[in-house]
Amino acid sequence: AQSVTQLDSQVPVFEEAPVELRCNYSSSVSVYLFWYVQYPNQGLQLLLKYLSGSTLVKGINGFEAEFNKSQTSFHLRKPSVHISDTAEYFCAVRMNRDDKIIFGKGTRLHILP
Amino acid sequence: KAGVTQTPRYLIKTRGQQVTLSCSPISGHRSVSWYQQTPGQGLQFLFEYFSETQRNKGNFPGRFSGRQFSNSRSEMNVSTLELGDSALYLCASSLGRRGLEEQFFGPGTRLTVL
Repeated sequence: AQSVTQLDSQVPVFEEAPVELRCNYSSSVSVYLFWYVQYPNQGLQLLLKYLSGSTLVKGINGFEAEFNKSQTSFHLRKPSVHISDTAEYFCAVRMNRDDKIIFGKGTRLHILP
Repeated sequence: KAGVTQTPRYLIKTRGQQVTLSCSPISGHRSVSWYQQTPGQGLQFLFEYFSETQRNKGNFPGRFSGRQFSNSRSEMNVSTLELGDSALYLCASSLGRRGLEEQFFGPGTRLTVL
C-alpha cells in the first residue's frame, strides 16, 4: 500500500538557521510529489511540486526540495528561516495510476528567536 | 480572482444529526476535492469531483457523500454524525482533472460534534 511518512512531527529551528523537513514515500508506481504549507487558521498553499525533469525543485518563499528516487524521498529545505515560516508543512504524493493523493501527517516548524 | 470559499466556517452539531458543507471553487475551475483534517489522522482524502462526476473516493463510510453542480460548486454531506467526525473539512479546486495541476485550498469548515 502507498504511504507518505514525515519523520518529524515538530522541528524547532533558530531564526536564520537552515532547516530540512523530511518526507519519504512508498509506492510501486510513478508519482507526483508536492509540499504544502498551512499557516494557522488557513487552508493549504502549494509550496512546490515535482512532476518530472530536474530532481531539484524550487518553490515559493525560498524553499526547495530534492526528489531522490532510489531513496524514495522528497525532503524540503530552506537555507535561512524567518519567523514568518512558522507553520505546518505537508508532504503529499499523487499516484499516476489513479490520481489519488496521500498526505503525510505534517511537520510543525517552530522558529525560535 | 476570488479564492475558494467554504461555508459555513464553523459548525456545531450533535451526534446523530446530519450536516451539509458547501464549497465554491475558483471561477473556471472544474475539479473539486474534499479532505478531512484531524490532529490524529492528518489530512485524508474524501472524494474528488469533475464536471459533476465523482472521479475518486477515499476510504470513508457511506455516511459521507458529496455532489457537484453544473456551476462547479460542490457540497458534501455527512449523515448520522459521530463524535469522531469532528474535524476541519477542506475543499480544494483545480482547473482540470489531471493530478498535475495545483490545487487551491479554501480555509475550511470546522465541524464540532457534541
